[in-house]
Amino acid sequence: AQKVTQAQTEISVVEKEDVTLDCVYETRDTTYYLFWYKQPPSGELVFLIRRNSFDEQNEISGRYSWNFQKSTSSFNFTITASQVVDSAVYFCALSEPSYNYGQNFVFGPGTRLSVLP
Amino acid sequence: DVKVTQSSRYLVKRTGEKVFLECVQDMDHENMFWYRQDPGLGLRLIYFSYDVKMKEKGDIPEGYSVSREKKERFSLILESASTNQTSMYLCASRGGQGAQPQHFGDGTRLSIL
Repeated sequence: AQKVTQAQTEISVVEKEDVTLDCVYETRDTTYYLFWYKQPPSGELVFLIRRNSFDEQNEISGRYSWNFQKSTSSFNFTITASQVVDSAVYFCALSEPSYNYGQNFVFGPGTRLSVLP
Repeated sequence: DVKVTQSSRYLVKRTGEKVFLECVQDMDHENMFWYRQDPGLGLRLIYFSYDVKMKEKGDIPEGYSVSREKKERFSLILESASTNQTSMYLCASRGGQGAQPQHFGDGTRLSIL
């Protein structure tokens, strides 16, 4: 069965520091998809990025970057020059293209990031 | 952009009441989900639906039921609310499988007194 681990429960940094959120996954499929979501204090989960298992190119979007390494089954998320508005809970998720409908989408437990001014 | 709308941001009900949480999506997605989120427990899947009138139990279905009479609407029902159902409830929709992300509503903070 697939599994997603986010070992860091809570992280606190001071504004402008860089921070990396770890995500390790387990799957038996060779084709799968990885996602990151942000949940600010207001509560809504916001979809940030999707990665395919066959595309290991790193992705950069402004201050956000994602490092996907199949060899270590990791999909880490780095925020550069963090800001107070980055304070949120971040979830990593894994999806497999099975026919088991909704039960093929698994979330990690989340990492709470606090960015202090 | 996908829009998932939950009927209430905050809701207060009493023990024993029948409670309805409504969720509507505007993207003709086949799949819809209900989660509850509690501190330290992450997101737990209650029920999901992959088509009109179809439903499947998630990880914690006890004490809940669902209804999907129309494709755009997925309702979560607490048959007889209890205090341990006080939680944050999140609805999501998804257009297909595999590569498709789930899109979430704003959430409903439900308190059962």
